[in-house]
Amino acid sequence: AQRVTQPEKLLSVFKGAPVELKCNYSYSGSPELFWYVQYSRQRLQLLLRHISRESIKGFTADLNKGETSFHLKKPFAQEEDSAMYYCALVGGSNYKLTFGKGTLLTVNP
Amino acid sequence: GAGVSQSPSNKVTEKGKDVELRCDPISGHTALYWYRQSLGQGLEFLIYFQGNSAPDKSGLPSDRFSAERTGGSVSTLTIQRTQQEDSAVYLCASSPGARNYGYTFGSGTRLTVV
Repeated sequence: AQRVTQPEKLLSVFKGAPVELKCNYSYSGSPELFWYVQYSRQRLQLLLRHISRESIKGFTADLNKGETSFHLKKPFAQEEDSAMYYCALVGGSNYKLTFGKGTLLTVNP
Repeated sequence: GAGVSQSPSNKVTEKGKDVELRCDPISGHTALYWYRQSLGQGLEFLIYFQGNSAPDKSGLPSDRFSAERTGGSVSTLTIQRTQQEDSAVYLCASSPGARNYGYTFGSGTRLTVV
């Protein structure tokens, strides 16, 4: 079975502060991990995927297989980063994403 | 189309009534997914289509829920005898293939059962 845990429902930081949204997963094989973001009144959209090893809007995420984590980080948060963030996993020959319950990030001015 | 289109955007229905939710995926996307988004529950997988067939219906909560897809395009999610616990945002997503996870989501249908 595959499972994604986002331990923080809410996270509040000040503008310019570093931010880390935690994601832990459970899967026995080699998963693919993703972060999706939903801004207020907008559609859910892909932010980044671990296989791309990319940085999007200043966010990065590293897959740590030892700790089974895929935390999302940004060194200097901006107010426009305020949104709901979902971590998601797909494993093996599976075809569907399993999502965590999400973390609502609020960046205060 | 330019994106995934869902209709209606909002639906208020009385308990016990049937509802139909529609999803029009991106043209050419063979994979289509329905998810349910509830407060505190995140996104729950409901059903997956590859073409017109649904190899995985495991997420449908009960036999009151059904879905079909015709012509490899439009999909309809039907909820019969709606209950208050069915209230949620129903999201549809499509992708170019079964193992392409760059889902494109629709804006969802907010269902309220009163």
